Amino acid sequence: DIQMTQSPSSLSASLGARVIITCRASQNINNNLNWYQQKPGKAPKLLIYGASSLHSGIPSRFIGSGSGTEFTLTISSLQFEDFATYYCEQSHSTPGNTFGQGTKLEIE
Amino acid sequence: QVQLQESGPGLVKPSETLSLTCTVSGDSISGDYWSWVRQPPGKGLEWIAYIYYSGSTTYNPSLRSRVTISIDTSTNQFFLKLNSVTAADTAVYYCARRAILTGYQYFYSYLDVWGKGTTVTVSS
Repeated sequence: DIQMTQSPSSLSASLGARVIITCRASQNINNNLNWYQQKPGKAPKLLIYGASSLHSGIPSRFIGSGSGTEFTLTISSLQFEDFATYYCEQSHSTPGNTFGQGTKLEIE
Repeated sequence: QVQLQESGPGLVKPSETLSLTCTVSGDSISGDYWSWVRQPPGKGLEWIAYIYYSGSTTYNPSLRSRVTISIDTSTNQFFLKLNSVTAADTAVYYCARRAILTGYQYFYSYLDVWGKGTTVTVSS
């Protein structure tokens, strides 16, 4: 099974800051990596698919990159509404579209 | 615009069967893949299963022995059954559409539309 490891598990940042979240796969998943944002009490929301493609309606400050085993989600200038938990998901292998454990982004 | 809505009992007794329905509105259920994902309190996301509109299924190996996913295209609904539940199955259960995007040398799969989730508690 492919394991997904996110880092950090949590971080604090200020409005306007640039933030990078990393997701590592236990084996090569090419660019089959998705990113989701989840706010408390809400369903996850798709941000990025295929490692770097921005989903419809998602602001351009969300930037995905990487391939193989290492991926990053960059938020170029944090807005208030960006404080949430972020999950990566690999969609390379079936069965087993596994998620990372999540990264909680809090206001500093 | 496609919308998904989960429904089912909020409380299930240990050893019994959890049964949930996801109703799809705004588009036909045909032609797509449909998934169940769950999230225990304070924890991360866990994929449970997905089903193609034709009835082809794929299960999380860790839950395979207890899970059944099914679909009814005539009612635009798909279903989850999880048997022999324990307290560890207490979670928010989400249904979602798994979109597939293919092209020359690429195949992308992602969960692009989600229901709001339904909380299921396993307790006597």
